[in-house]
Amino acid sequence: GQQVMQIPQYQHVQEGEDFTTYCNSSTTLSNIQWYKQRPGGHPVFLIQLVKSGEVKKQKRLTFQFGEAKKNSSLHITATQTTDVGTYFCAATTSGTYKYIFGTGTRLKVLA
Amino acid sequence: DVKVTQSSRYLVKRTGEKVFLECVQDMDHENMFWYRQDPGLGLRLIYFSYDVKMKEKGDIPEGYSVSREKKERFSLILESASTNQTSMYLCASSFGSGPRIFGSGTQLSVL
Repeated sequence: GQQVMQIPQYQHVQEGEDFTTYCNSSTTLSNIQWYKQRPGGHPVFLIQLVKSGEVKKQKRLTFQFGEAKKNSSLHITATQTTDVGTYFCAATTSGTYKYIFGTGTRLKVLA
Repeated sequence: DVKVTQSSRYLVKRTGEKVFLECVQDMDHENMFWYRQDPGLGLRLIYFSYDVKMKEKGDIPEGYSVSREKKERFSLILESASTNQTSMYLCASSFGSGPRIFGSGTQLSVL
């Protein structure tokens, strides 16, 4: 079945460093969503990407959808301690409500 | 403040018990979802519903059933709980594509 691979599994950075997590699929995706889950919390929706090559920014966060719609990335510039948590991508192929979640990237920011 | 409310934060049940997990949303959303979250496996879709009395199986429906008699309420039922159903259960709802708004989760332990 459809799978979404997310890397890396863990990332430790010094505060102020940049961070990137990647999601890759072997099949073409309809759209992809990104979520953040703080420790002990629940996933919180960040953004949805729909168009090939789409780039969206939210303050220090930059989200990209690949030209072939098979991969996506989330980049955080100058991380802060408030960025700590697990970042998940969730993707679907056309015409389905079945979003497949990646296994997440756990980000730790060292002050 | 819009909400998805799950009835219990923590639940302890015995093997073989019938377990009901309740989820209520106050946003008049059409779509509701049940996921389970296990370490290293991310979120996996159990069932989703796109309308009252309508349901679709997700990726891991075995051992679970659901009920959606009213638009705002989506119940997950474990007919005969087993230890391998010990997990964090997350309910979500949305208007459009994907889960979007998550509840706080129910940590279920089956002994």
